[in-house]
Amino acid sequence: EAQVTQNPRYLITVTGKKLTVTCSQNMNHEYMSWYRQDPGLGLRQIYYSMNVEVTDKGDVPEGYKVSRKEKRNFPLILESPSPNQTSLYFCASSYTGDTEAFFGQGTRLTVV
Amino acid sequence: GNSVTQMEGPVTLSEEAFLTINCTYTATGYPSLFWYVQYPGEGLQLLLKATKADDKGSNKGFEATYRKETTSFHLEKGSVQVSDSAVYFCALRGYGGSQGNLIFGKGTKLSVKP
Repeated sequence: EAQVTQNPRYLITVTGKKLTVTCSQNMNHEYMSWYRQDPGLGLRQIYYSMNVEVTDKGDVPEGYKVSRKEKRNFPLILESPSPNQTSLYFCASSYTGDTEAFFGQGTRLTVV
Repeated sequence: GNSVTQMEGPVTLSEEAFLTINCTYTATGYPSLFWYVQYPGEGLQLLLKATKADDKGSNKGFEATYRKETTSFHLEKGSVQVSDSAVYFCALRGYGGSQGNLIFGKGTKLSVKP
């Protein structure tokens, strides 16, 4: 089954404790990206990757890192999480940057 | 820059009522347009899409037509069901700025009562 898989689905952590949210897709997609969803603000892009070893900032990259060492994986790294990063995070993938995107189930992160 | 504006919710309808959710956009060039749906506790699923002017996307009884002259992509369904209760997002995708960035509207929550 074609899918985008994120882990974990739920995470509560403390300020400053490094964490990684994993994302994997099995559709051989070139393009992957991360979004955060906040009430009243909708979804905003954090980082994107057009291919292996090619990543770039989206609209709200501060406080986040990503890597794309393999085509299928695109982890999101929070080196020092802060409470303002409490949000619902979605990973998405697509064949290219202008085709339909497939989304993961989401990761609800709470930073206390 | 590119932007999407969709009608504020929440929208509450009775089963079998007609649904319209308005969506207008601002973009350079010729973006692709999408409607995504988010059911409670789930991720976003593509509902329908249109990639050029006058294209009509349709799926599960929902329809939307890409109107370049009015820069609109309104979502319609002739007879909603309780199972259609969800949050609906209009989105566009085109090049420029954050290349490949999906620009979303803020979402419209639909509740359908039996």
